[in-house]
Amino acid sequence: DIQMTQSPSSLSASVGDRVTITCRASQGISNSLAWFQQKPGKAPKSLIYAASSLQSGVPSKFSGSGSGTDFTLTISSLQPEDFATYYCQQYNSYPFTFGPGTKVDIK
Amino acid sequence: EVQLLESGGGLVRPGGSLRLSCAASGFTFSNSAMSWVRQAPGTGLEWVSTFTTSGDITYYADSVKGRFTISRDNSKNTLYLQMNSLRDEDTAIYYCAKLTTHWGQGTLVTVSS
Repeated sequence: DIQMTQSPSSLSASVGDRVTITCRASQGISNSLAWFQQKPGKAPKSLIYAASSLQSGVPSKFSGSGSGTDFTLTISSLQPEDFATYYCQQYNSYPFTFGPGTKVDIK
Repeated sequence: EVQLLESGGGLVRPGGSLRLSCAASGFTFSNSAMSWVRQAPGTGLEWVSTFTTSGDITYYADSVKGRFTISRDNSKNTLYLQMNSLRDEDTAIYYCAKLTTHWGQGTLVTVSS
């Protein structure tokens, strides 16, 4: 099985900050990586697919990059509505696996 | 607008069974691989199962293999998850998902005596 790790596990940031979250796969997954945002008590929301493609309706402040084993999610200017937990997920091979999540909260 | 609406969750005793449903609309269901993902209280996301459109092949997480069965009825645009031999550790919110694009709101399954 492919293991997904994320760093950091949590971070505190201020409104307007640029935030970068890293996701690493235990083996190469090409660009078969998605990013999701989840707010407390809500269902996850799709942000990015194919490592760098923005989901329809998602603001351009979100961007993804990477290929192979190392990936990043960047929020260019953090806004109050962006405080949430972010998960990466590989869909290159079964079983699909998620990272443990990165919680972004207010400094 | 894509909508995924789960139903069928509830309280069940260990060893019991439950069937979840997910009614889909707003996209061509029959052409879409569909998945179930769960989230135990206070934890992260766990992929459970996927029903592909490539020869109707299904995949399962090891934690549910042999106990859960995913199926679909394309005439009803509905995805199902039959859960048998339920365990305490199956307690979670179960989400139906068109993975990488859309998720339902989830249905809570509680396994407890």
